Amino acid sequence: KQEVTQIPAALSVPEGENLVLNCSFTDSAIYNLQWFRQDPGKGLTSLLLIQSSQREQTSGRLNASLDKSSGRSTLYIAASQPGDSATYLCAGGKGATNKLIFGTGTLLAVQP
Amino acid sequence: KAGVTQTPRYLIKTRGQQVTLSCSPISGHRSVSWYQQTPGQGLQFLFEYFSETQRNKGNFPGRFSGRQFSNSRSEMNVSTLELGDSALYLCASSVQGSRGEKLFFGSGTQLSVL
Repeated sequence: KQEVTQIPAALSVPEGENLVLNCSFTDSAIYNLQWFRQDPGKGLTSLLLIQSSQREQTSGRLNASLDKSSGRSTLYIAASQPGDSATYLCAGGKGATNKLIFGTGTLLAVQP
Repeated sequence: KAGVTQTPRYLIKTRGQQVTLSCSPISGHRSVSWYQQTPGQGLQFLFEYFSETQRNKGNFPGRFSGRQFSNSRSEMNVSTLELGDSALYLCASSVQGSRGEKLFFGSGTQLSVL
């Protein structure tokens, strides 16, 4: 059973478009949400971390929201650029430590 | 400040061999976690170490083990390698490993088992 799922699995958009990536989780024990970016064959770069007491976080062209009651988080990317092309992963924090439960990922391609 | 460093970057082994991967956390970080990433299963938690003690373990067989040294550097070991162990192994560090803390990931070790 997949605890954290992401929709869509892949997305291709023209440069300049605004877009939304979705993350949903079924485990009510997940208390925060972190969004990462992964380039091919590379590690993960943290983008935004939303704690359980927060509803959203913003960094530059990125905005992430968290709705624990519905088990959903969204990552909004404004004015997309080809350099935004990567796999985007959401991960829920669970337990007494900072163990993360990762989603399935969304592969984003921004066409110039 | 240097980031999380993982060595080696690539490894090729054959079935039945064992392998050791190394991770140096960000200076001042005392918690180190390990994750396995495969195309089929995605990213899965292996274990977490804090102050040389394993605090949390994922659902992996006993062939997967790890340790942490007094300088917070960590190693993970996989014995009796199987084809299915081929994966990108990622290490992450944080200050205390506390609930809600941000994780910083290394670039990973790509392990291929032939």
